[in-house]
Amino acid sequence: EAGVTQFPSHSVIEKGQTVTLRCDPISGHDNLYWYRRVMGKEIKFLLHFVKESKQDESGMPNNRFLAERTGGTYSTLKVQPAELEDSGVYFCASSQVLGQAGYTFGSGTRLTVV
Amino acid sequence: GQNIDQPTEMTATEGAIVQINCTYQTSGFNGLFWYQQHAGEAPTFLSYNVLDGLEEKGRFSSFLSRSKGYSYLLLKELQMKDSASYLCAVRDSTSGTYKYIFGTGTRLKVLA
Repeated sequence: EAGVTQFPSHSVIEKGQTVTLRCDPISGHDNLYWYRRVMGKEIKFLLHFVKESKQDESGMPNNRFLAERTGGTYSTLKVQPAELEDSGVYFCASSQVLGQAGYTFGSGTRLTVV
Repeated sequence: GQNIDQPTEMTATEGAIVQINCTYQTSGFNGLFWYQQHAGEAPTFLSYNVLDGLEEKGRFSSFLSRSKGYSYLLLKELQMKDSASYLCAVRDSTSGTYKYIFGTGTRLKVLA
C-alpha cells in the first residue's frame, strides 16, 4: 500500500506570504494528524481529524493556521500570513483505527520562512 | 505539565548493544512508543509498551515501568544502518485524540 504522502517536500517563502501544505493519508485511514517540529525542539501535535471533522485542534499555534480535510480524504494546512517562527518540519500521520499501535508518518514538509 | 526526557546523542560500535533511556511525566498515558527516524525521512514505528515489562522484537526490545515513568529501547547487534534518531513518545488519550507527546529524540551514531 502507498504510504502517507506530503507535498511539497520543501518550501521557502517570504514572511507575509501564504503557503499550503498537503497530506495524502493511506487510503481508508479515517484518522489524520498534523505535527510540527521547529529546529532544536521536539515534534509537537497540531491537530487531529477523524474523517472530515476536527477532533482536536488544541495544538494549533494561532489563527494564522487553517487545516481542512474536505471529503475526509487528503488534508491541507494553510499558513497565512507566514511568520519567521513558523519555520520547521510539518509532519502528517494517519491511522485506520483510533489508538492502534503505531501511526504511519509522512516524510514531512520542510518550511523555511525568510 | 508534559515532559519527556531522553539523551541528545549516543555513540556505539557496530555489533555492540546500546540502551536509550526515556523518562516521562505526562497527564495522560495510553502507551509508550519508540520511533526511528533517519535524516529527512518519516519517523517509523518500532515498538510500544502499554503494560510494564519487556517487549522483544528481533534486535530491538523496549521496556516500560509506569510507576517510575521510565522506558528504554535496547538495540542489539548494532548495524551501521541503525544510525538514526530514536524518538520516545507517550500517547495521550485524555482528549479522545490519542495524540503523541514526543521527546526531542536521541541521535545514535554507530561507528565501524
